[in-house]
Amino acid sequence: QKEVEQDPGPLSVPEGAIVSLNCTYSNSAFQYFMWYRQYSRKGPELLMYTYSSGNKEDGRFTAQVDKSSKYISLFIRDSQPSDSATYLCAMSKNTGTASKLTFGTGTRLQVTL
Amino acid sequence: ETGVTQTPRHLVMGMTNKKSLKCEQHLGHNAMYWYKQSAKKPLELMFVYSLEERVENNSVPSRFSPECPNSSHLFLHLHTLQPEDSALYLCASSQDGSGRGFFGPGTRLTVL
Repeated sequence: QKEVEQDPGPLSVPEGAIVSLNCTYSNSAFQYFMWYRQYSRKGPELLMYTYSSGNKEDGRFTAQVDKSSKYISLFIRDSQPSDSATYLCAMSKNTGTASKLTFGTGTRLQVTL
Repeated sequence: ETGVTQTPRHLVMGMTNKKSLKCEQHLGHNAMYWYKQSAKKPLELMFVYSLEERVENNSVPSRFSPECPNSSHLFLHLHTLQPEDSALYLCASSQDGSGRGFFGPGTRLTVL
């Protein structure tokens, strides 16, 4: 079993839709949860960062963490064609200044006009 | 320059060549990482350096050799690679204990 499971998609939605992206994980020691966006031929860009359980909102993006269910989500409201990218979830436990990230495989999102 | 830069952006090499990838971070972070990204697979951590000391080597073959001369620079020396090593090689840096990484654009490596 992979430590982090993420549906690879692709997920296709019309412009303006609400998008829900999810990851599940097995290691209860994870404390930090991140979402990265990766455009084609680019490096991953940090989108959202959350510590422990709860919600965090930034503009059209909301990240949710449910540690009891080992489940994290990213919601995108009013999706735009520019949101078309691969979204990677990542998580870590605090081991000092060089904690390593464990990634999901990424979900490819296509927002159509 | 800002953020994390990587050179070259694209590299094609034969199996007998020796080449090096370079990463530079302009964020004042104290940890640097090499990741490998292959199609349909999660990012794989290769090496971690904290304060210029290697703290993790994730069972990477010896044909990959990292070097971290200071906290701003990271190299990945490549020799006698295999075609299956073709991938996007990403460098990242971080500062706090979360490992929250800031990535460079990557080097797209093709081994013939």
